[in-house]
Amino acid sequence: DGGITQSPKYLFRKEGQNVTLSCEQNLNHDAMYWYRQDPGQGLRLIYYSQIVNDFQKGDIAEGYSVSREKKESFPLTVTSAQKNPTAFYLCASSMIRDTEAFFGQGTRLTVV
Amino acid sequence: GQQLNQSPQSMFIQEGEDVSMNCTSSSIFNTWLWYKQEPGEGPVLLIALYKAGELTSNGRLTAQFGITRKDSFLNISASIPSDVGIYFCAGSYLSGGYNKLIFGAGTRLAVHP
Repeated sequence: DGGITQSPKYLFRKEGQNVTLSCEQNLNHDAMYWYRQDPGQGLRLIYYSQIVNDFQKGDIAEGYSVSREKKESFPLTVTSAQKNPTAFYLCASSMIRDTEAFFGQGTRLTVV
Repeated sequence: GQQLNQSPQSMFIQEGEDVSMNCTSSSIFNTWLWYKQEPGEGPVLLIALYKAGELTSNGRLTAQFGITRKDSFLNISASIPSDVGIYFCAGSYLSGGYNKLIFGAGTRLAVHP
């Protein structure tokens, strides 16, 4: 089945640690995105990538980093510089940038 | 930057009632998308609209692309308990030669049996 897979579903991190969230898609989409969602809030764009080896900052990129070495994969690293990392993280992809976007099931990150 | 105003913020309705929610903006959009998000899950695309005035249905859901291209609405008829969730609108517009997608803040729907 085609789709977007995020892992893990739940992640716990100690303060001061970096952690990487996985996002894989087999839809052959060129564009991929990372969003952050806080309780009762909408979606805020962290990073996006239109093609392999290229990515751009979104609205809240500070404290995050990404890579796009393969078309299928767009991992997000939450660094220790991110002051308030506890949130629900959503990965999405689309055929070309900013057309119909399809989402993964999300990763809930909690800092303990 | 561009903003989408989605309303209402939340709705509490009885099973069987019809629901209406909308998104408005001062900017023109090329595409309108409506998503539903259930607790702990990612948003799922419900309806995509591509032309001004377009009216599209998906089961009990109906959405329209406003004629001015600055708004869109989503209607749900005869609501059932499984309609519970957060509904997001999203609009795509041209910026610097590229499409840019932005999301509304969501409408939280609760359905009482």
